[in-house]
Amino acid sequence: EDQVTQSPEALRLQEGESSSLNCSYTVSGLRGLFWYRQDPGKGPEFLFTLYSAGEEKEKERLKATLTKKESFLHITAPKPEDSATYLCAFSLSGGYNKLIFGAGTRLAVHP
Amino acid sequence: GAVVSQHPSWVICKSGTSVKIECRSLDFQATTMFWYRQFPKQSLMLMATSNEGSKATYEQGVEKDKFLINHASLTLSTLTVTSAHPEDSSFYICSARDPSREKLFFGSGTQLSVL
Repeated sequence: EDQVTQSPEALRLQEGESSSLNCSYTVSGLRGLFWYRQDPGKGPEFLFTLYSAGEEKEKERLKATLTKKESFLHITAPKPEDSATYLCAFSLSGGYNKLIFGAGTRLAVHP
Repeated sequence: GAVVSQHPSWVICKSGTSVKIECRSLDFQATTMFWYRQFPKQSLMLMATSNEGSKATYEQGVEKDKFLINHASLTLSTLTVTSAHPEDSSFYICSARDPSREKLFFGSGTQLSVL
């Protein structure tokens, strides 16, 4: 069965304390691994798409990496405004089509 | 700015009534839109895929007669929750695929509370 698991469920960091969020998957025929950020009461905001093992993408304090079994979202020197729920999702059908989401990691960054 | 507009942001209704939620792509034509629901502290669960000009494709376990989807134009999809009950209270989110930019954009969501 295709599924994606995110860990930890919740993470509390001090401002400046770097860490990583994990997204492990068992998907046959993965066509894309996506990372989104979601603030309370809002829709998800796109961060990254990764397509092949070894691929890495960066945006400000965030860096996403992909292996054959998992993806990591590294957060370097986080700030309180990075507090949000981070969701990973996969696509089986290629491109930006039907996405299946993990349960998310709720990140809280304290000053 | 937002490229997918979802309306209303929140709605409160009485049990037994129907509620319509709109999802519009503002600056692109979306042949495909998706509807998700999300319970507190849980992830997004795909409900259905909305295809312009044809019937929606529902995920397993989603009642198509209860959650009516209409995608009558390339910029508008609607989700109607019919005969709503308290257990239908949830956060509903739409997304639309922009084929020209190969991106999937999400609406801001609709919080439905059924009394």
